[in-house]
Amino acid sequence: SQQGEEDPQALSIQEGENATMNCSYKTSINNLQWYRQNSGRGLVHLILIRSNEREKHSGRLRVTLDTSKKSSSLLITASRAADTASYFCATGRIQGAQKLVFGQGTRLTINP
Amino acid sequence: GAGVSQSPSNKVTEKGKDVELRCDPISGHTALYWYRQSLGQGLEFLIYFQGNSAPDKSGLPSDRFSAERTGGSVSTLTIQRTQQEDSAVYLCASSLAGTQETQYFGPGTRLLVL
Repeated sequence: SQQGEEDPQALSIQEGENATMNCSYKTSINNLQWYRQNSGRGLVHLILIRSNEREKHSGRLRVTLDTSKKSSSLLITASRAADTASYFCATGRIQGAQKLVFGQGTRLTINP
Repeated sequence: GAGVSQSPSNKVTEKGKDVELRCDPISGHTALYWYRQSLGQGLEFLIYFQGNSAPDKSGLPSDRFSAERTGGSVSTLTIQRTQQEDSAVYLCASSLAGTQETQYFGPGTRLLVL
């Protein structure tokens, strides 16, 4: 079954608004990472949050992690047209196969 | 320094032919990963190399798929007797150590099997 599930699958907002994307997972994790993908090519790492952290900031990005609910959220503030992309969460498990498990992604569109 | 590079950028092949996809990881990165992404979908893990350890091949979809990593650096993903359902973008990533670290992705190889 899919480990990371992003919600919503697609999000369209106006430039300047804030965008919030959510990720849920099923097993215990060591860390959770968010990536961005433009035009279906390589992914760019945005932020990594470890299981003992609850919130992390990087520029206009804010990530929260709630291990009790097995969920994370990515907030992009003051969105720009250049933020238009697909956003994926990926989880690093504590046990089992040592690989990141990616969700299906949220397609974010910022309208000028 | 240079990022992860992949070649070719695009590959069109005929059903039944073999293809080789190449990945050059970031120098010094001991971990290397291959993923597959079908149109509009998430990333599907294929294989993971970590140093001199035996690779984790648990994601390879069939025995037509194989990968090797020579000298702990360059990796080649080989697909034998390609099928139309193999059409996808194949992404390579590397990291300093294992999956607890940030992965750096290459631009991918877009494979189309006719």
